[in-house]
Amino acid sequence: SQQGEEDPQALSIQEGENATMNCSYKTSINNLQWYRQNSGRGLVHLILIRSNEREKHSGRLRVTLDTSKKSSSLLITASRAADTASYFCATDGGQAGTALIFGKGTTLSVSS
Amino acid sequence: GAVVSQHPSWVICKSGTSVKIECRSLDFQATTMFWYRQFPKQSLMLMATSNEGSKATYEQGVEKDKFLINHASLTLSTLTVTSAHPEDSSFYICSARDRTRWNEKLFFGSGTQLSVL
Repeated sequence: SQQGEEDPQALSIQEGENATMNCSYKTSINNLQWYRQNSGRGLVHLILIRSNEREKHSGRLRVTLDTSKKSSSLLITASRAADTASYFCATDGGQAGTALIFGKGTTLSVSS
Repeated sequence: GAVVSQHPSWVICKSGTSVKIECRSLDFQATTMFWYRQFPKQSLMLMATSNEGSKATYEQGVEKDKFLINHASLTLSTLTVTSAHPEDSSFYICSARDRTRWNEKLFFGSGTQLSVL
């Protein structure tokens, strides 16, 4: 099962530009996480934002969470070619026996 | 930091054979582990939840007799793809919760690329 949509499905930008990806979900959550995946590789955990938080920063990443709209956004500032990857949001119900449920992902392509 | 080891990282097998994938939490105990499958250019789909000492819980549409899950200890879960066919070719990835930090992020293995000829 999947939580919902990510928007856009694909994004192409130039180096130095900002990239914004949005994620919507359907159920109540304990936290929401963003992951990066390079082609054919494993997942890299980027950031976790809890349901009682509205915004979080980590380096060039900024994540917002709006629980009333059941949505989150990931902003990558000053993008680099190395940021080219697929980005997924994943929601966590927060109980010990529950899995992360992933969105469909955004494929980001940053050209130099 | 917590590490989840998954192997093999890739496997090629003939149609009709069985393939076992191991997922091991190296420095924490995981009461629960999760198995995902990812087809090319798609997202991760949860296949099943593996519970230590009890039967796995499978998501709708996942054949439990085809994808055998065993979670015999607090640090090891295995996924066996039985009688594999080309349509089972996919990227399989496991994740685990540290049972003492269940409210924190899950830890993921590096994945297994299965190619069935």
